[in-house]
Amino acid sequence: AQSVTQLDSHVSVSEGTPVLLRCNYSSSYSPSLFWYVQHPNKGLQLLLKYTSAATLVKGINGFEAEFKKSETSFHLTKPSAHMSDAAEYFCVVTLRSNYQLIWGAGTKLIIKP
Amino acid sequence: DTGVSQDPRHKITKRGQNVTFRCDPISEHNRLYWYRQTLGQGPEFLTYFQNEAQLEKSRLLSDRFSAERPKGSFSTLEIQRTEQGDSAMYLCASSSGDSSYNEQFFGPGTRLTVL
Repeated sequence: AQSVTQLDSHVSVSEGTPVLLRCNYSSSYSPSLFWYVQHPNKGLQLLLKYTSAATLVKGINGFEAEFKKSETSFHLTKPSAHMSDAAEYFCVVTLRSNYQLIWGAGTKLIIKP
Repeated sequence: DTGVSQDPRHKITKRGQNVTFRCDPISEHNRLYWYRQTLGQGPEFLTYFQNEAQLEKSRLLSDRFSAERPKGSFSTLEIQRTEQGDSAMYLCASSSGDSSYNEQFFGPGTRLTVL
């Protein structure tokens, strides 16, 4: 069975400091992994995806994530937070060619000025 | 490509009324999904179409919920006899069957408020 755990429900950082949003997954097979972002009153937007081509994945808006199979982790990072990064972030796992996405509970990122 | 669109964006209704939401997927996508999202939670999967075939509907929350995709293009989600507990954001997503990674693209959602 597949599952996703986002280790922090809220993360608060100051503008200009690094961001780390943690995600651990459980999957019996080689998964695909995604990070989606949801800004207030807006739709879900795909930030980046891991599809086994490379373990370090770069996404939009300066975000990146590293797939670590030994740690079953897919943490999201950004070197320098911007006020516009304030949003809810969801880690998602799926088996390839499977329609079903398994969602984490989300991490709310708060940026302090 | 205008992305996934949903209509209406907001719906306020009284308990017991029926409501219908529409989703227009990205034009070349043959897969369409409906989700429900409540405050502070991730999306909850409801149902899935491949072309006009509804391949998974066991997750629909009750028999008051139904979905259609008659011509394999747009889809509708209907809730009959709405209850206050149905208040939520209803999300539609689409994906290409050619993608082996199931990357889903989401619409802006329809926010339902049941009074």
